[in-house]
Amino acid sequence: NAGVTQTPKFRVLKTGQSMTLLCAQDMNHEYMYWYRQDPGMGLRLIHYSVGEGTTAKGEVPDGYNVSRLKKQNFLLGLESAAPSQTSVYFCASSYGGRTYNEQFFGPGTRLTVL
Amino acid sequence: LAKTTQPISMDSYEGQEVNITCSHNNIATNDYITWYQQFPSQGPRFIIQGYKTKVTNEVASLFIPADRKSSTLSLPRVSLSDTAVYYCLVGAPPPGSQGNLIFGKGTKLSVKP
Repeated sequence: NAGVTQTPKFRVLKTGQSMTLLCAQDMNHEYMYWYRQDPGMGLRLIHYSVGEGTTAKGEVPDGYNVSRLKKQNFLLGLESAAPSQTSVYFCASSYGGRTYNEQFFGPGTRLTVL
Repeated sequence: LAKTTQPISMDSYEGQEVNITCSHNNIATNDYITWYQQFPSQGPRFIIQGYKTKVTNEVASLFIPADRKSSTLSLPRVSLSDTAVYYCLVGAPPPGSQGNLIFGKGTKLSVKP
């Protein structure tokens, strides 16, 4: 099993450009999450999904959109990138129920917005 | 929201037992307590989860007092490879309201030879 994979690993954007980050998991997990991590900060939840076709806002959702068209994939979109969105983005997935806090994380995407 | 408070950093020596405490004064009845480990340039890795009393697995123990307002992660006989940031997470299934899943800022553990 590959676990949780993220594409791309690195990306540099100019202000105003758009992009989509792809997260894929092969563990048949119900829940998927997108976090961002800035230097010296913990992880902050952007959006999450509790099942195919569902999404919900997390702690810092502004400037991002997500889609969960297939159970194994969770896409994070930036419609108009801003320098404040320079960060490392982590995707995670988990089973539901009482084990939902046991999240499996991907390797991260390092995004720089100039 | 069940926010968490942890020490920013801790130092230890190889072979010692390390205890990291997390405060979560407004923990809700349905909340579980989970700890993660993160190495530089990697995603966090699940260590242990508990609801009350004591939980032990092959890498750590988690102690939760009866009032559940705090928890302590115990790492027995640490080694240099345990140098990492440790996060305390409090939340309940399913992810409900905005911000339900909250990571603390983490404790940077430095293990010295």
